[in-house]
Amino acid sequence: GQSLEQPSEVTAVEGAIVQINCTYQTSGFYGLSWYQQHDGGAPTFLSYNALDGLEETGRFSSFLSRSDSYGYLLLQELQMKDSASYFCAVNTDKLIFGTGTRLQVFP
Amino acid sequence: DTAVSQTPKYLVTQMGNDKSIKCEQNLGHDTMYWYKQDSKKFLKIMFSYNNKELIINETVPNRFSPKSPDKAHLNLHINSLELGDSAVYFCASSQERTIMNEQFFGPGTRLTVL
Repeated sequence: GQSLEQPSEVTAVEGAIVQINCTYQTSGFYGLSWYQQHDGGAPTFLSYNALDGLEETGRFSSFLSRSDSYGYLLLQELQMKDSASYFCAVNTDKLIFGTGTRLQVFP
Repeated sequence: DTAVSQTPKYLVTQMGNDKSIKCEQNLGHDTMYWYKQDSKKFLKIMFSYNNKELIINETVPNRFSPKSPDKAHLNLHINSLELGDSAVYFCASSQERTIMNEQFFGPGTRLTVL
C-alpha cells in the first residue's frame, strides 16, 4: 500500500525555525512535493525534490532522502502569515497527499 | 488574471439532487484534475484528464462523472448526492502529464449536502 506520515500539528513563535517531517511508503516514486494551504484557501505549491539533498527557496527549504523514504520541509524566520497547513505529497503516477501538518505561529 | 477558476464557490443542496461544478484554466496546461478534501483536510485525487482524455480514475462512485469539453475545461457532475459527498472539491491543472510538474489549484467548491 501507500502511506505518508507527518505530524498533525506544530507550534512555534515568530522568527523561529520549524521542521516538518514526512515519511512515506509507496511504489513508483518519482519525488516528493510540498504544498501550503491556508484556512479556506487552495493548496499552493512550495517545492519538489526528485533527488536526494536540500532544495532552498527563500525562507523555505525541502530535503529528501530516498534511501530513508524521508523528507522534511524547513521553514526559517517564521512569520505570522506562515500559519497554515503543510502537506507532503509523493509523486507517483499521481500525487498522493499526506494528512497535513497544521502550523501555528505565535507572536 | 485567474489561473484556475471554479464555479460555484459554495453549493448547498438536498440529498438525491444532481449538481455540477465547472472548472476552467487559462494557463494553457494539458492536464487537469479533480480532488476531494474531506472535513479532516485529507486531499485525495479523483480524476485526471490529459488533453480531454481520462488518464486517472480513482475508486470513485460512478455517480461522479467528469467531462472535459476541451483541454481548458474539466467539469464534474454528481448524481444522486449523498451526505458523504459533503466536502471541498478542488480542480487543478499542470503543464504536462508528467506528475513532477507543479499543480495549480482552483479556489475550491464547498459542497454541503443536507
